[in-house]
Amino acid sequence: DVKVTQSSRYLVKRTGEKVFLECVQDMDHENMFWYRQDPGLGLRLIYFSYDVKMKEKGDIPEGYSVSREKKERFSLILESASTNQTSMYLCASRDTGVTAPQHFGDGTRLSIL
Amino acid sequence: AQSVSQHNHHVILSEAASLELGCNYSYGGTVNLFWYVQYPGQHLQLLLKYFSGDPLVKGIKGFEAEFIKSKFSFNLRKPSVQWSDTAEYFCAVSGGSSNTGKLIFGQGTTLQVKP
Repeated sequence: DVKVTQSSRYLVKRTGEKVFLECVQDMDHENMFWYRQDPGLGLRLIYFSYDVKMKEKGDIPEGYSVSREKKERFSLILESASTNQTSMYLCASRDTGVTAPQHFGDGTRLSIL
Repeated sequence: AQSVSQHNHHVILSEAASLELGCNYSYGGTVNLFWYVQYPGQHLQLLLKYFSGDPLVKGIKGFEAEFIKSKFSFNLRKPSVQWSDTAEYFCAVSGGSSNTGKLIFGQGTTLQVKP
């Protein structure tokens, strides 16, 4: 079974702080994703990575950056946290091949005060 | 623009009632279609997926979905819901030839099943 682990379930930070959200997968997947989930908006893609050190912007990348130095780890960085980044953040990983589904972590509920 | 629309935002049913959740997409070219479920406090799990072949797809826990290409729809159905089906349901689409599997999600439908 694929295991996608997000480092924190709940996180509280202050406006202006630099925030790191970590995600690790144990299945040697090429593709990894960061989403934010907000009520009524579903999941929106922030960034994704299709290989080590490779990244692409998703639909809402503003205010975020990512890092993928190792295949199993994909980090989401809030450069200077703002209150409108309070949300649930979901990480996912996926094998290559057009039929492979995404596997999700438990999510990190981030509150910016 | 590529998009996925789920028409029902909040559905309340009694146990044993039949369920149909609507999903329509706007996407050029061939598509791969998914339904995910998120039970309270849990991670998103794959219910079922469609890539090609038989447009009626069966998934876990008695769920099924039908791909109707002419209507750009992929509605989720279950003949008789249980209290344990209370969850949020998401429809998602990716490009048919996409190797990264980048998904576009609908807004989600919250299903509440009353015992």
